[in-house]
Amino acid sequence: DTEVTQTPKHLVMGMTNKKSLKCEQHMGHRAMYWYKQKAKKPPELMFVYSYEKLSINESVPSRFSPECPNSSLLNLHLHALQPEDSALYLCASSQREGQLFYEQYFGPGTRLTVT
Amino acid sequence: AQKITQTQPGMFVQEKEAVTLDCTYDTSDQSYGLFWYKQPSSGEMIFLIYQGSYDEQNATEGRYSLNFQKARKSANLVISASQLGDSAMYFCAMREATSGSRLTFGEGTQLTVNP
Repeated sequence: DTEVTQTPKHLVMGMTNKKSLKCEQHMGHRAMYWYKQKAKKPPELMFVYSYEKLSINESVPSRFSPECPNSSLLNLHLHALQPEDSALYLCASSQREGQLFYEQYFGPGTRLTVT
Repeated sequence: AQKITQTQPGMFVQEKEAVTLDCTYDTSDQSYGLFWYKQPSSGEMIFLIYQGSYDEQNATEGRYSLNFQKARKSANLVISASQLGDSAMYFCAMREATSGSRLTFGEGTQLTVNP
């Protein structure tokens, strides 16, 4: 099973709302990632968790708050977002962090629209 | 300077023909890995193929092969016997030993397979 699942598939939220994105994998991977992707652009790394601890934060604004409750689950909590935060948010996982040859498996993404 | 360059924003190929998608990279690391991902319009990033910098043989996975020319710093993806389902955005990506988990993506090539 090489599946990473993400919910919801689509999300529309106002600038004052609080919402969460959820990502799950059952491949025993110990590294999990959040990416943001704008239309017709490559994904941009936001956060990396390794063994449930935050390993990399790519200077992401605090209105995005990641959480890794256990080795299978990764959340992204959203609060007071701006319209420019509208994008496809991709979750990924890999066996370990930092090993060159471990490919990242991506989920289908959540398409977020901030109104 | 761009670390990954994909010079073909769009490519067209006839069904059943082969197509080469170009990728050049720039790194001073001796150890690095190169990846190709496919992203259909549905959004999910699908891992296709991996080449390590020390791998002497070109990687192959089914209809996908990677034409790795280390001295030229190029890692072109060759898709043989194109199918309509191959129509998608293709991203070349690199992970360097000194950059940990970070995958650096190119801008992508939009491939369209014509019947």
